[in-house]
Amino acid sequence: GDSVTQMEGPVTLSEEAFLTINCTYTATGYPSLFWYVQYPGEGLQLLLKATKADDKGSNKGFEATYRKETTSFHLEKGSVQVSDSAVYFCALRNRRGNNRLAFGKGNQVVVIP
Amino acid sequence: ETGVTQSPTHLIKTRGQQVTLRCSSQSGHNTVSWYQQALGQGPQFIFQYYREEENGRGNFPPRFSGLQFPNYSSELNVNALELDDSALYLCASSLGGPDSGEQYFGPGTRLTVT
Repeated sequence: GDSVTQMEGPVTLSEEAFLTINCTYTATGYPSLFWYVQYPGEGLQLLLKATKADDKGSNKGFEATYRKETTSFHLEKGSVQVSDSAVYFCALRNRRGNNRLAFGKGNQVVVIP
Repeated sequence: ETGVTQSPTHLIKTRGQQVTLRCSSQSGHNTVSWYQQALGQGPQFIFQYYREEENGRGNFPPRFSGLQFPNYSSELNVNALELDDSALYLCASSLGGPDSGEQYFGPGTRLTVT
C-alpha cells in the first residue's frame, strides 16, 4: 500500500540555520505530495504541495520538489526562525484512493534562539 | 468563512465506554474525513463520508463508525473503548467529492481512555 517515510528523530537547530527534512514515499501511480505543519495544541495546516513530478511547492520560505526518480519530497528552508518550531508531516494522496492522506510519522523541529 | 470546528476539545473516558466526537465542516464542504493521531505518530485515516455515506475506510475495526448529516457535519462514534484508542482525533473537510479538493483540518479532539 501507499506509505511515507520520514527521517528519524527530532531536529534541533539554531535560528537562521538551514533546515532539511527528508521524505520518501511508496505509491502506485502518480500521487500528490504534501507537507503539513502542526503547531503545539493545534491541528494540521497545509504548508505546501506538489501534484506532479518536478513540481516545486513553496510557502513561507519553505520549498520541496517532487522527485519521481528518487520518490522523494524533501522539505527545505534556508534560514529558520524560532516561530518555525513545530512538527512537520509529509503526506501523499493517491488519486485512486478516495482522497485519503497517508502521513509519515512527523519530525519535531526545535529552533533555538 | 468558518473553518472546521470539532467538539469537545478534550475528553476522558473509561475502558469499555462509548464516545461520540463531532465535527462541523468548513462552509460548503461536502466531504469529511476522520483521522486518528496517536502520540508521536502521524495521522491514520479512519474513514471518509460523502453524501451521507461512508466512502472508504482505513484499517480500523467496526467499533469505529460515523455519520454525516445533510448539513455536512459529521460524528465519529467509538464503541467498547480500549486504552489504545487514546489519541488526537482529527476531522478534515473538503469540497468537490471524494477524489478531489484540499483537505482542511480541525483542531482535533484529544481522547484519553483510562
